[in-house]
Amino acid sequence: GAVVSQHPSRVICKSGTSVKIECRSLDFQATTMFWYRQFPKQSLMLMATSNEGSKATYEQGVEKDKFLINHASLTLSTLTVTSAHPEDSSFYICSARFVTLNYGYTFGSGTRLTVV
Amino acid sequence: KQEVTQIPAALSVPEGENLVLNCSFTDSAIYNLQWFRQDPGKGLTSLLLIQSSQREQTSGRLNASLDKSSGRSTLYIAASQPGDSATYLCAADATDSWGKLQFGAGTQVVVTP
Repeated sequence: GAVVSQHPSRVICKSGTSVKIECRSLDFQATTMFWYRQFPKQSLMLMATSNEGSKATYEQGVEKDKFLINHASLTLSTLTVTSAHPEDSSFYICSARFVTLNYGYTFGSGTRLTVV
Repeated sequence: KQEVTQIPAALSVPEGENLVLNCSFTDSAIYNLQWFRQDPGKGLTSLLLIQSSQREQTSGRLNASLDKSSGRSTLYIAASQPGDSATYLCAADATDSWGKLQFGAGTQVVVTP
């Protein structure tokens, strides 16, 4: 149980285009999902908290218009990187809190985004 | 603001040795502390979660302890194997910021055959 499926695992896009990353909770409902970003050799930094049926909450310094988050159902949250630039190249990973894991967190497999 | 530090940043041991990974946090008001494993280019795999009321958790060769008063957690891996090579991350879940896991920078472990 407690599996979070994230797609795609890798994506290469041209500068100026948009990329959508999907995160699905497969066997549980996730009213809240979390989106992280990880730079090489660095740890994870929380970007935003995605709430089902309402607006996402962004961390300080994260551009809302560049990183669009939609959480339209209890099992799906999406992150769209709009007008991507090379500096957006990074590893993006989603997470959900799983009640029966004693409120621990389960993570997706991550998406490696490369903007050329 | 919660700060999480992991020492050492990197560790290389021969197969069979025990591993000791350290994690320290500045704010003892945590809900739980979770240890993860990350393989290169992959997501995070949860290893152990210790609730604030617990002192330790065990799973197979893994044992994690938690000392809130000193702000420390230690992950022990017994009889290391080459398959244990990965980056190990600890993360603190603070009581006043639900969902905002604060991660350490990780310890990169290499177990040589």
